[in-house]
Amino acid sequence: AQKVTQAQTEISVVEKEDVTLDCVYETRDTTYYLFWYKQPPSGELVFLIRRNSFDEQNEISGRYSWNFQKSTSSFNFTITASQVVDSAVYFCALSEPMDSNYQLIWGAGTKLIIKP
Amino acid sequence: DADVTQTPRNRITKTGKRIMLECSQTKGHDRMYWYRQDPGLGLRLIYYSFDVKDINKGEISDGYSVSRQAQAKFSLSLESAIPNQTALYFCATSDVAGAGGRFEQFFGPGTRLTVL
Repeated sequence: AQKVTQAQTEISVVEKEDVTLDCVYETRDTTYYLFWYKQPPSGELVFLIRRNSFDEQNEISGRYSWNFQKSTSSFNFTITASQVVDSAVYFCALSEPMDSNYQLIWGAGTKLIIKP
Repeated sequence: DADVTQTPRNRITKTGKRIMLECSQTKGHDRMYWYRQDPGLGLRLIYYSFDVKDINKGEISDGYSVSRQAQAKFSLSLESAIPNQTALYFCATSDVAGAGGRFEQFFGPGTRLTVL
């Protein structure tokens, strides 16, 4: 069965610190897709990134970076030089063509608090 | 204008009342979804529709029904609301999966429903 685990329920750091949000997934498929979404206090869900299982290159977008490691079934998200505006709940999700017909399997989310 | 809209944004109702939540999208996507979000539980899929004639139950469909009136419209109904259906409800859309299709899900702003 597919599963996404975000073991960190809540993380609190001081502004300008780097912070890494962990995501570990389980899947039987060789083809799958991983996602990160952000939910700020206003409540909307914002798509951040999609990564397919064939592309293990790390990705950087400004202060955000993602480390995909198939060997450890992890897709971790790092925010460098965090800012108060990064405070949000972050969700990791998995999509597979075979078992779930591309439905998103969601982690429980990590609440990130950035203190000024 | 927002690509995915939900009405109402907030609703307070009483136990036993029938409630309809509406979702409209201008993204031209075939796939639409209804989720509920409860604190600490992430997102759980209620129903999903791959096109107007294809509607499927999700993880927690009991107590809910849906209608896909058109490609752009997908409604969620609570026939007889109960207090444990108090939650934040999200509608989402995605493109057709596979063959290079971009199938990350795009979310509406959410409807906060309170059942007294």
